[in-house]
Amino acid sequence: QKEVEQNSGPLSVPEGAIASLNCTYSDRVSQSFFWYRQYSGKSPELIMSIYSNGDKEDGRFTAQLNKASQYVSLLIRDSQPSDSATYLCAESDFGNEKLTFGTGTRLTIIP
Amino acid sequence: DVKVTQSSRYLVKRTGEKVFLECVQDMDHENMFWYRQDPGLGLRLIYFSYDVKMKEKGDIPEGYSVSREKKERFSLILESASTNQTSMYLCASSSYKSRQGVNTIYFGEGSWLTVV
Repeated sequence: QKEVEQNSGPLSVPEGAIASLNCTYSDRVSQSFFWYRQYSGKSPELIMSIYSNGDKEDGRFTAQLNKASQYVSLLIRDSQPSDSATYLCAESDFGNEKLTFGTGTRLTIIP
Repeated sequence: DVKVTQSSRYLVKRTGEKVFLECVQDMDHENMFWYRQDPGLGLRLIYFSYDVKMKEKGDIPEGYSVSREKKERFSLILESASTNQTSMYLCASSSYKSRQGVNTIYFGEGSWLTVV
């Protein structure tokens, strides 16, 4: 069975610093990776997706993928208190309709 | 914007009751999903539907059934609710993106079910 592993945290980062969230996955055929943010009591919302090795940047967010190491990460630059949430990593195979999620990392930004 | 609407946000049901959770999406998506989310266990897929009247079991289908009679609507049914089904239930939808070959899944707001 596929597994997506995340450190559950909590991860505490000072405001303005870089938050680094990590995720490993077990299935070598996994092709697509997603980062979702979930505020307490709310549903997950997609913030980044990445399909190719390397970095993908979107505003303060950078997703990094290393398929050889089966590792995907999310960097949040200039962290803000509003970034405090649980971040879920997910993966899917090419053409697979379903996502497999990790259990999430709880991030707290300290003012 | 994609909108996935779950009709009930908070429900309290008694053990043994039949429970219906309804979900509607307005983006003509082919795929619809029901997940449950529990502390420490993350999101687990209950059932998935890729077309009207089509369904596929997810990782934890036991105790649940689904119905998809129309493309925009996907219902989750708890035939006889039990206390271990107390959870947050999330409906989601997606559409196959041929350019990337990847789906982006959009979630509803969630339904908090308590079974007493």
